Amino acid sequence: EVQLVESGGGLVQPGGSLRLSCAASGFTFSNYWMSWVRQAPGKGLEWVANIKQDGSERYYVDSVKGRFTIARDNAKNSLYLQINSLRAEDTAVYYCARGGGTYNGRFDYWGQGTLVTVSS
Amino acid sequence: DIQMTQSPSSLSASVGDRVTITCRASQSISSSLNWYQQKPGKAPKLLIYAASSLQSGVPSRFSGSGSGTDFTVTISSLQTEDFATYYCQQSYSTPYTFGQGTKLEIK
Repeated sequence: EVQLVESGGGLVQPGGSLRLSCAASGFTFSNYWMSWVRQAPGKGLEWVANIKQDGSERYYVDSVKGRFTIARDNAKNSLYLQINSLRAEDTAVYYCARGGGTYNGRFDYWGQGTLVTVSS
Repeated sequence: DIQMTQSPSSLSASVGDRVTITCRASQSISSSLNWYQQKPGKAPKLLIYAASSLQSGVPSRFSGSGSGTDFTVTISSLQTEDFATYYCQQSYSTPYTFGQGTKLEIK
């Protein structure tokens, strides 16, 4: 059974940092592009970033470029999102999702999400 | 960026109804269109990919169609468990973008 379990969310002040993690199991992690998708409270879905199987390609939505960094550790079956210089508008549930690659841009499995709240 | 526009934004229907939700892309995206269902407090679930392919395990009452800029998802006979919010997503080019969502409510 495919499982994606996020962790690392919490309350952080504007300008602060967090590192989100996603532990993957039930599939060969190193064979898949992986992505982060977020959802602000009561709002729609927004793709944030993706990373190729070997980490050689990474893409970001413009609003997070230079502040967020996606990374992966295939030996640990884990995906990460380092988020810096946090702003109030970054408040959202952050989902880890399998997929989002160049030739397969669908997200076929999702984690339960981790909430990031940016507030003073 | 490719803009995705769904219509309607909300929809009231009854169990057993046939329902269609539309998604329009701001430019041609071929068949690179996916549909998701999301229930309150839960993660989205993939229903349809590549415009018309049914994801494994999804009931056959769901179907998708379209190509280019105009797409639809149809539920042939609404069941209680189908009341949720539906999103389309283009996977033609990054940044991948979603429609604003269609909330399907019980009449």
